[in-house]
This record gives sequence, structure tokens and C-alpha cells, in this order.
Amino acid sequence: GIQVEQSPPDLILQEGANSTLRCNFSDSVNNLQWFHQNPWGQLINLFYIPSGTKQNGRLSATTVATERYSLLYISSSQTTDSGVYFCVVGDSNYQLIWGAGTKLIIKP
Amino acid sequence: EAQVTQNPRYLITVTGKKLTVTCSQNMNHEYMSWYRQDPGLGLRQIYYSMNVEVTDKGDVPEGYKVSRKEKRNFPLILESPSPNQTSLYFCASSFFGRAGANVLTFGAGSRLTVL
Repeated sequence: GIQVEQSPPDLILQEGANSTLRCNFSDSVNNLQWFHQNPWGQLINLFYIPSGTKQNGRLSATTVATERYSLLYISSSQTTDSGVYFCVVGDSNYQLIWGAGTKLIIKP
Repeated sequence: EAQVTQNPRYLITVTGKKLTVTCSQNMNHEYMSWYRQDPGLGLRQIYYSMNVEVTDKGDVPEGYKVSRKEKRNFPLILESPSPNQTSLYFCASSFFGRAGANVLTFGAGSRLTVL
């Protein structure tokens, strides 16, 4: 099946810094989503982005499907950005495969 | 408000005592799914449903049952819970299109402890 690798596994930054999180996948996908799990456990969908670029405030994402990767950009980080960021891809059988996540800590 | 509602949010039970975790969504979504999250293992899919009366096993279905009799509800049943089912459980739903599950909306989670 499709393998999903996220990097880096952990990231510690000062408030105000920018960051790039990466998601590599091993085969063609028809579905890609980014989620944020906050320190209280809540899972929030950030982007549905099987291809192209999207922006939402300080966050943006780009998926290059032909090269099998997606990037999540966080600019001017805030402490509320802390948590775990997951990349999820969908295969041709409609199965959703989750990456292991990137744990982000933003220090004030 | 569009949401996925799970109940109970917290539960402590004993081995072998049947329990049901309910999940309800008010967005008319076709797709619903259950996940468990354990430290160091990420989210693992238990069961999913692409529409009413259509359910399929995910990665870790053993010890669980589901049903999808109505579009809005997708209960997770533990017939005889065991301590290894102690976990944080999430229900999710979305529309289902040509690319499969669309933008997933998650419930708040149900923390289950089996003694």
C-alpha cells in the first residue's frame, strides 16, 4: 500500500518563526488532507489539497502530485499553532492512509 | 452548527462489559469512519462506511462492530471490551465523491479505559 512519510518528526520554534512541514507519499493519490491536532486532542481539517496551492491566513499548502509530495507552510508562528500536524492521503480504493505526524512546539 | 457528536466523551469500564460509543453527524455526509489513537501509533482506522448499510473493515477491526442503519448515525460497539482497547477514539464524517472521502470533520473524541 501507499506509504506516507512526514518530516520532520519534531520541530521546536520561537513564536514568530516560519516553518515548512513536508509529506511524501509513495504512489499516486486522489485525495490529500492536512490536519492539526491541538494539545487538547481536537482534530481540525486545515486543507483538502490533492493538487495545487491553497492559502488560509498564515497557513498555506502546496501539493505536487506528479512528484508525490505536499508542503504545509506556517508563517509568523503563534503558540496556538502548537500540536501535531498530520498528512492523510487517499488511494484508488478510497482508503485513507495517515502519516505519523509532525509535532510542532512554538515557544513564547 | 455543523458537527460530529460523540458520546460518551470519557468512559471507564471493566473487561467484558459491552459498550457502545455513539456518533452522529448533522451534515448529511455519506462517509463515516472510526479511528483509534494510541501514543506512538498515530490514528488507525477501525471501520468505515461509504453510505447507509455499507460498512468495511479498516486496519484494526478486531474486537469492534459497527452498523449504519441511518445516514446520520454510526455507532461503535465493543461486545466484550479488553484492556488493549483502552484508547482515544475518534469518529469522522465527510461527503463521498469520485476521489473518495472529502474534507473530514472529526468529533471531539472519546477516551475509553478498560480495566
